Amino acid sequence: DTEVTQTPKHLVMGMTNKKSLKCEQHMGHRAMYWYKQKAKKPPELMFVYSYEKLSINESVPSRFSPECPNSSLLNLHLHALQPEDSALYLCASSQVWTEAFFGQGTRLTVV
Amino acid sequence: GIQVEQSPPDLILQEGANSTLRCNFSDSVNNLQWFHQNPWGQLINLFYIPSGTKQNGRLSATTVATERYSLLYISSSQTTDSGVYFCAVGTSGTYKYIFGTGTRLKVLA
Repeated sequence: DTEVTQTPKHLVMGMTNKKSLKCEQHMGHRAMYWYKQKAKKPPELMFVYSYEKLSINESVPSRFSPECPNSSLLNLHLHALQPEDSALYLCASSQVWTEAFFGQGTRLTVV
Repeated sequence: GIQVEQSPPDLILQEGANSTLRCNFSDSVNNLQWFHQNPWGQLINLFYIPSGTKQNGRLSATTVATERYSLLYISSSQTTDSGVYFCAVGTSGTYKYIFGTGTRLKVLA
């Protein structure tokens, strides 16, 4: 099983809302990632968790707050987003330094 | 940081044609993957290929790490091959996978 599950698939939120994106994997992977992808662009790395600890934050604004409650789950908490934050948000997991697997993504629209 | 460039940026083929996609990277890498992104946004793993050559059906890939490039070959293309192809590389000492600029492929029936 090489499945990474993201929920929800689609999300529309207002600029004053608080919402969360969820990501789950059961492959025993110890690294998990959040990427952001704008239309017609490649995915851009946001955060990396390794062994449930935040190891990389690519200077992401504080309105995005990641959380890794355990080795299978990764959340991305969203607060006071801007319309330009509308994008496809992709979660991935891997064993440390091996093949990464991606979820289907959450398509976020901020209105 | 490492730069990852893919060529060509766009490619239109007739069904049944063959093609070669290229991924150039500016520094040594420890990991390299090829993905196909379908119209719904799903990134589908094609190859994990930090070095050497692999084949899977109509697709094959070669990475020459010492010369800092990788190639993806698609033979007898089908309309379902349409989409965007990305390579992604990882360097030693970090947990980053950096994506290339992508090749947008359209296969016409």
